[in-house]
Amino acid sequence: EPEVTQTPSHQVTQMGQEVILRCVPISNHLYFYWYRQILGQKVEFLVSFYNNEISEKSEIFDDQFSVERPDGSNFTLKIRSTKLEDSAMYFCASSVDRNQPQHFGDGTRLSIL
Amino acid sequence: GIQVEQSPPDLILQEGANSTLRCNFSDSVNNLQWFHQNPWGQLINLFYIPSGTKQNGRLSATTVATERYSLLYISSSQTTDSGVYFCAVGGLSGGYNKLIFGAGTRLAVHP
Repeated sequence: EPEVTQTPSHQVTQMGQEVILRCVPISNHLYFYWYRQILGQKVEFLVSFYNNEISEKSEIFDDQFSVERPDGSNFTLKIRSTKLEDSAMYFCASSVDRNQPQHFGDGTRLSIL
Repeated sequence: GIQVEQSPPDLILQEGANSTLRCNFSDSVNNLQWFHQNPWGQLINLFYIPSGTKQNGRLSATTVATERYSLLYISSSQTTDSGVYFCAVGGLSGGYNKLIFGAGTRLAVHP
């Protein structure tokens, strides 16, 4: 069964550094999402992406965050200048259609030192 | 936006017991998914169930959309069922694009 793949599985970065989290959505899916989960808390929506543009974003998704689909297969989340509070598990998801189930990757655990 | 409440917050079971987890939501939804988060942090998709009833092995789920709740049934629980169960919804008032997650039910199954 096709799946969403995320790399790396764990990223350790110094505060203030830029980090790029990578995702390969399922190939025939058109909608892409990023979520994050701070340790011990619930999963929170960050951003959704369709037709090469952001379709919705949360208040968490401020100017430090950006997303990109640089080619036909990858979907990336960039954090420009990381803060300690950016430490979390980041999940990528994709769906065929906005009314269809979202399929989640295994996540990238981001640790900011 | 849509509010999602899950109950109970914590549940401890002996292996072999049955359980029911509940998810209440505050508005009409066009997407409802149940996930199991395992100890490694992976979100395992259990059911896509905006309405109706589905079964998959020892697990089943029912969503009564008109009454704004969903139930997840676990029968003959096993230690591998331990983890956190999340309900997530997407709906008209919250936008079609995002899932709103509940706070989860933390399940511990003891041998």
